[in-house]
Amino acid sequence: EAGVAQSPRYKIIEKRQSVAFWCNPISGHATLYWYQQILGQGPKLLIQFQNNGVVDDSQLPKDRFSAERLKGVDSTLKIQPAKLEDSAVYLCASSRSTDTQYFGPGTRLTVL
Amino acid sequence: ELKVEQNPLFLSMQEGKNYTIYCNYSTTSDRLYWYRQDPGKSLESLFVLLSNGAVKQEGRLMASLDTKARLSTLHITAAVHDLSATYFCAVEYNDMRFGAGTRLTVKP
Repeated sequence: EAGVAQSPRYKIIEKRQSVAFWCNPISGHATLYWYQQILGQGPKLLIQFQNNGVVDDSQLPKDRFSAERLKGVDSTLKIQPAKLEDSAVYLCASSRSTDTQYFGPGTRLTVL
Repeated sequence: ELKVEQNPLFLSMQEGKNYTIYCNYSTTSDRLYWYRQDPGKSLESLFVLLSNGAVKQEGRLMASLDTKARLSTLHITAAVHDLSATYFCAVEYNDMRFGAGTRLTVKP
């Protein structure tokens, strides 16, 4: 069974630029999560999708972050414009329902 | 707001020794997870604990859950170097909240 795929693996941008991350969950997993993990901290949930609907986005900074999962499969997370404090690893995870989450390799974002 | 606290945050131990990592949380929840993260890698699921008194074991690791005390423990038995990693607990309430992690180093 293929795991959660993410791209790109690394991204370096300057502040005020825009960036987008892509996630392809495990086949058949209805629930998809985006997390932000700042160096030395635990992951922080940004948004949770159930199929193509948003279940929870209470910790998503909506003035600059957006996410979509249009067909209930792949998802994109966008930051526009980026700030220095957005430097982190962005992790995508998927699960069948509210079950064990399987994490992707992450995208390491550096904002200069 | 749900808070999840782990301790210790850093743990250095000798091979062959036993130790316990603690995870306290602030709101009633019946679903607690333990994950392992190696440096520069993503998270790997270790245990899912779904009810009060649940105990699960895999190799040298054993996790337990006391929902009344809002406490989970991860016990390490006879540690080996391969267990060196950061261990996170996570609690599911309305959303998923992670602890800050325990960075474990096992020395020969």
